[in-house]
Amino acid sequence: GAVVSQHPSWVICKSGTSVKIECRSLDFQATTMFWYRQFPKQSLMLMATSNEGSKATYEQGVEKDKFLINHASLTLSTLTVTSAHPEDSSFYICSAIPGLPSNEQFFGPGTRLTVL
Amino acid sequence: AQSVTQPDIHITVSEGASLELRCNYSYGATPYLFWYVQSPGQGLQLLLKYFSGDTLVQGIKGFEAEFKRSQSSFNLRKPSVHWSDAAEYFCAVGLNTNAGKSTFGDGTTLTVKP
Repeated sequence: GAVVSQHPSWVICKSGTSVKIECRSLDFQATTMFWYRQFPKQSLMLMATSNEGSKATYEQGVEKDKFLINHASLTLSTLTVTSAHPEDSSFYICSAIPGLPSNEQFFGPGTRLTVL
Repeated sequence: AQSVTQPDIHITVSEGASLELRCNYSYGATPYLFWYVQSPGQGLQLLLKYFSGDTLVQGIKGFEAEFKRSQSSFNLRKPSVHWSDAAEYFCAVGLNTNAGKSTFGDGTTLTVKP
């Protein structure tokens, strides 16, 4: 149980285009999902906390107009990278929490974004 | 704010040898502690976690970790490493009042020699 999927697993796009990444909790409802960014050989950096039915909470330094997050249902959160540029190329990972009190996250397999 | 330090960037061990990966944390209250493993190009898999109770925690794949409050440490151990254990390992600390929000260490890359 507690499986999280991401789609697509990888995407290549041209500079200036927008890319949408989906994160789904397959067998549980997730009121909270998290979006992370990981550069090669580095740790995960939390970008934002996505709460179902409300606006996402972004970490300091993350441009909310560039990284649009929508959490429209209890099983789906989307991250849209708008007007992507080569510096946005990265590995994006989402996670979801089934609920308190465990504080345990279940991670998706990640999405590799390459912007040409 | 909480922080996590993994002092070893890269560790190489021989197959069959024992392993210990170090993790030190900084947090004012009792933390939620996690160890994750990440294979290349993939997401994170939880190896084990500590919330409370017994300070020696058993996880999957033969891993264990010991919470030592006095040393602010949560080191990961395995008595006999297998070649398939080669991966990136992350220690993380979570807030017990903010479900799920975790701070990750920089990771330790494990290489296993045949």
